[in-house]
Amino acid sequence: IQLTQSPSSLSASMGDTVTITCRSSQGILIAVAWLQQKPGKPPTPLLYDVSKLERGVPSRFSGSGSGTVFTLTISRLQPEDLATYYCQQYNSFPRTFGQGTKVEIK
Amino acid sequence: QITLKESGPTLVRPTETLTLTCSCSGFSVNSMSVGVHWVRQPPRKAPEWLARISWTGAQLYNAPLQKRLTVTRDTSANHVVLTMTDMDPLDTGTYFCVYTSAAVFENWGPGILVAVS
Repeated sequence: IQLTQSPSSLSASMGDTVTITCRSSQGILIAVAWLQQKPGKPPTPLLYDVSKLERGVPSRFSGSGSGTVFTLTISRLQPEDLATYYCQQYNSFPRTFGQGTKVEIK
Repeated sequence: QITLKESGPTLVRPTETLTLTCSCSGFSVNSMSVGVHWVRQPPRKAPEWLARISWTGAQLYNAPLQKRLTVTRDTSANHVVLTMTDMDPLDTGTYFCVYTSAAVFENWGPGILVAVS
């Protein structure tokens, strides 16, 4: 299953709302997670099952979608949100990741 | 607290075999529904899933790499080992082990950067 993210990068100001889209080549039900990766660190999960927040993740992160199109929304962008974001499917093997969206703060 | 840590060589020569160990704590690798995965990430690229060993010892591999990969576990030492043969410079990257209990990649090790040169 191929996952295609868009955009590949974006630049936004503090306080903005940004949206990242992930399109799957096949239906993957709700088996989608979003991960955040900061430079030099491993990815950390933000959401799973499309929209469920991992423990400790701020509520300004939200997810939606179904079938083959999924979105990650970051509201009230903060400086610590500077990172690369990946979608990942766990509906089937091999597990696959999107190519990433780099979020920069203006 | 669940933690994982990768260890092994940080430099290997082309054609050599890479052996990485994932030391696990806070859970048992043979506890029901536990899976330990290996994921690699080339510099400045997206992660790529490599393999998984389940709590029963069942192994799954990424098909294009299957001939080169072996994942095993030592339940007494509570660690998981990844072996990758015939290393190539294109295999350079950070290798992570990851814990799952319900399919979601919940806990990642810090990763180990392996250069092939």
